[in-house]
Amino acid sequence: QQQVKQSPQSLIVQKGGISIINCAYENTAFDYFPWYQQFPGKGPALLIAIRPDVSEKKEGRFTISFNKSAKQFSLHIMDSQPGDSATYFCAASIRSSGYALNFGKGTSLLVTP
Amino acid sequence: NAGVTQTPKFRILKIGQSMTLQCTQDMNHNYMYWYRQDPGMGLKLIYYSVGAGITDKGEVPNGYNVSRSTTEDFPLRLELAAPSQTSVYFCASRPRDNEQFFGPGTRLTVL
Repeated sequence: QQQVKQSPQSLIVQKGGISIINCAYENTAFDYFPWYQQFPGKGPALLIAIRPDVSEKKEGRFTISFNKSAKQFSLHIMDSQPGDSATYFCAASIRSSGYALNFGKGTSLLVTP
Repeated sequence: NAGVTQTPKFRILKIGQSMTLQCTQDMNHNYMYWYRQDPGMGLKLIYYSVGAGITDKGEVPNGYNVSRSTTEDFPLRLELAAPSQTSVYFCASRPRDNEQFFGPGTRLTVL
């Protein structure tokens, strides 16, 4: 059973536009919510992360919005660039499972020139 | 620091063969993980370790075994390879804060 559900599966955005990827989770014990970026042939790399006591976190062009009551969180990429074209994964973890990550299925983002 | 290294990068196995995927990290991280990534399915946890001598099963452990005799190494063993184990395998490690660092992956094909 997928503990973290991610949408959309794929996304095409024009350069300069806003990319939005959404995730939802069921387990209220999750206490850490990272987003990973993966380029073809590479391992995932941490992009930005948030804890449930914060509703928003911004790092440069990347922002996580977190809604604890709705059990949802999203990634916003402002001023999207062709170099942002990659697969993005949301994830969630809990201390009792050794902080192992439960991943969403991923979103393939293409930013067109 | 080399970070998390994995060997081999690619491997083709015949059904029933066995092999060990190697993972080493030089960051003195206590936590280590093995994930597999299938197309369109995200990454799924196979096994994890919270320290030397301690391992635990993840979501998809069947057909795999692990050991953790040192802090640096966390090998993943496939005893009887099956086509369902065709995947890309990622090892990761984590210090006491929350970021997991991933290796470059091993692409395994079982024919």
